[in-house]
Amino acid sequence: GAVVSQHPSWVICKSGTSVKIECRSLDFQATTMFWYRQFPKQSLMLMATSNEGSKATYEQGVEKDKFLINHASLTLSTLTVTSAHPEDSSFYICSVAQPQHFGDGTRLSIL
Amino acid sequence: GENVEQHPSTLSVQEGDSAVIKCTYSDSASNYFPWYKQELGKRPQLIIDIRSNVGEKKDQRIAVTLNKTAKHFSLHITETQPEDSAVYFCAATVDSNYQLIWGAGTKLIIKP
Repeated sequence: GAVVSQHPSWVICKSGTSVKIECRSLDFQATTMFWYRQFPKQSLMLMATSNEGSKATYEQGVEKDKFLINHASLTLSTLTVTSAHPEDSSFYICSVAQPQHFGDGTRLSIL
Repeated sequence: GENVEQHPSTLSVQEGDSAVIKCTYSDSASNYFPWYKQELGKRPQLIIDIRSNVGEKKDQRIAVTLNKTAKHFSLHITETQPEDSAVYFCAATVDSNYQLIWGAGTKLIIKP
């Protein structure tokens, strides 16, 4: 299956900071990547579908101006949480390919 | 749209016994059903999947069954071991983009 690298694995920062998370497909050319958010003891919630060379498709209720997605190449998609606040604290995880293979996830904690 | 329900939310079994987790889906167009295992703080990992043209698939101690008529599919784990303890998620897909619709998850606890 596809090998996915996600960085950073853990981020702790002050409220108001913007945080960028990278998702790299190491052995698969990914025209599509998926970004999920997972709260403790809950299922994965799809935030957006990242499309190489075009705009991401956001799920209902996800603010596209707050969660900026850039998919500039077949191996890299980035998610930027802009002006993060404590309620944005969560586990963010990306996936590629079909069947979907996941990165290690990024635990974001906003103080 | 598609809706996936998963039961039970928590399952506790004695080591060595079998565990069964069930999922139902609503859209008869769904044609791909993966199962993921997620250990605490880690990524979900695909453990087995099944397509709608197959009724059953087995991989060592893990098996998945699919009943298209009833629109449900189940994960079966035999001879459970402590390392099977985790949260298991089922999912279904309805379109060619393979956007997965996820179940709520089942926490499997293996008692020694």
